[in-house]
Amino acid sequence: DSGVTQTPKHLITATGQRVTLRCSPRSGDLSVYWYQQSLDQGLQFLIQYYNGEERAKGNILERFSAQQFPDLHSELNLSSLELGDSALYFCASSVASSDDTQYFGPGTRLTVL
Amino acid sequence: SQKIEQNSEALNIQEGKTATLTCNYTNYSPAYLQWYRQDPGRGPVFLLLIRENEKEKRKERLKVTFDTTLKQSLFHITASQPADSATYLCALERTDKLIFGTGTRLQVFP
Repeated sequence: DSGVTQTPKHLITATGQRVTLRCSPRSGDLSVYWYQQSLDQGLQFLIQYYNGEERAKGNILERFSAQQFPDLHSELNLSSLELGDSALYFCASSVASSDDTQYFGPGTRLTVL
Repeated sequence: SQKIEQNSEALNIQEGKTATLTCNYTNYSPAYLQWYRQDPGRGPVFLLLIRENEKEKRKERLKVTFDTTLKQSLFHITASQPADSATYLCALERTDKLIFGTGTRLQVFP
């Protein structure tokens, strides 16, 4: 158990819909990262937040957005969903920066029908 | 653009042998590189980090090398066990982000 929690574990929705994925980092970790993992793309970095502020951005689509709240939990919002958004979404946390060990959560499996 | 290559084919080895996985990269010189283990349907688990000024790092049965001239990292598991069967991902630092390779699946058979 990494100490990072993600909800829900599974999510099935239809194209065009909007969903919210939630992540609680390990106690004491200030950084939260979001990744997308699909079969053909591997693990892709989406975005990082540090202590409530956006720190780094990857190939995150404009339809996707995230935020980190004062209690340090984070949410990833995916809107106007497409079939190609079906993937595993992982949240990771670290003490501060990306060269600290990143602890990954169990992931949320999103299926868009 | 940054390109990371790991053996896409699965590596099958016999229990007790040393498994060697390769991570090659181009177009960049990362300040550090990390290796992760991922089991099916689960999140990656951090194994080792090696910095650009380090040639080798060890942790129990694991050894990582980092050759910045060849732009290559090798990941070794000595005395491999069936429990080591998993996908192993290398990840490179790029402007404070981690860029992951697609991973190599290792299968250790008795």
